Amino acid sequence: DQQVKQNSPSLSVQEGRISILNCDYTNSMFDYFLWYKKYPAEGPTFLISISSIKDKNEDGRFTVFLNKSAKHLSLHIVPSQPGDSAVYFCAASVGGSNYKLTFGKGTLLTVNP
Amino acid sequence: NAGVTQTPKFQVLKTGQSMTLQCAQDMNHEYMSWYRQDPGMGLRLIHYSVGAGITDQGEVPNGYNVSRSTTEDFPLRLLSAAPSQTSVYFCASIGTGPNEQFFGPGTRLTVL
Repeated sequence: DQQVKQNSPSLSVQEGRISILNCDYTNSMFDYFLWYKKYPAEGPTFLISISSIKDKNEDGRFTVFLNKSAKHLSLHIVPSQPGDSAVYFCAASVGGSNYKLTFGKGTLLTVNP
Repeated sequence: NAGVTQTPKFQVLKTGQSMTLQCAQDMNHEYMSWYRQDPGMGLRLIHYSVGAGITDQGEVPNGYNVSRSTTEDFPLRLLSAAPSQTSVYFCASIGTGPNEQFFGPGTRLTVL
């Protein structure tokens, strides 16, 4: 039973446009959500996070939105750049225990020049 | 400041062999975790530690042992390797701040 779902295995966008990556979760105990970016042959890199007491968190070109009633979050990248091409993982934790993360399967983002 | 280091980068084992995957961090973090990533899958938690001397099981602990004798090191032991343990293994070090999440570069393990 997958508790964190990323239903789009891949996404392709043009440079300069917006990239929107989606994530759904089923466990209502999750109260902290994180996004990671992963390049091939490297470890995941933390990107941005959001607590369940917020509905939006912004960091430069990256914004995460959380809709608790729908158990849905999304990562917006504006504007998208070719260097953003990577696999993006959504992850969740309970009680801020970020050493016990539940990950989605990831979405491969390709930003075309 | 090296962050999180993992050795080896690559390893090939035969079924039944044992080995230890090393993980070390120099950030004085209390929390460390081991994950495995299989093709088309997200990362799955194997074991984690909330401090020296304290470890616990994650989602997929069978076939693996861990120990945490120091804050810096968190080795993962495969007791008797099986082909199902072919995977990429990532170690993570987590601090108390909201952005203190660091993964190592990974160990790619193949079990024949």
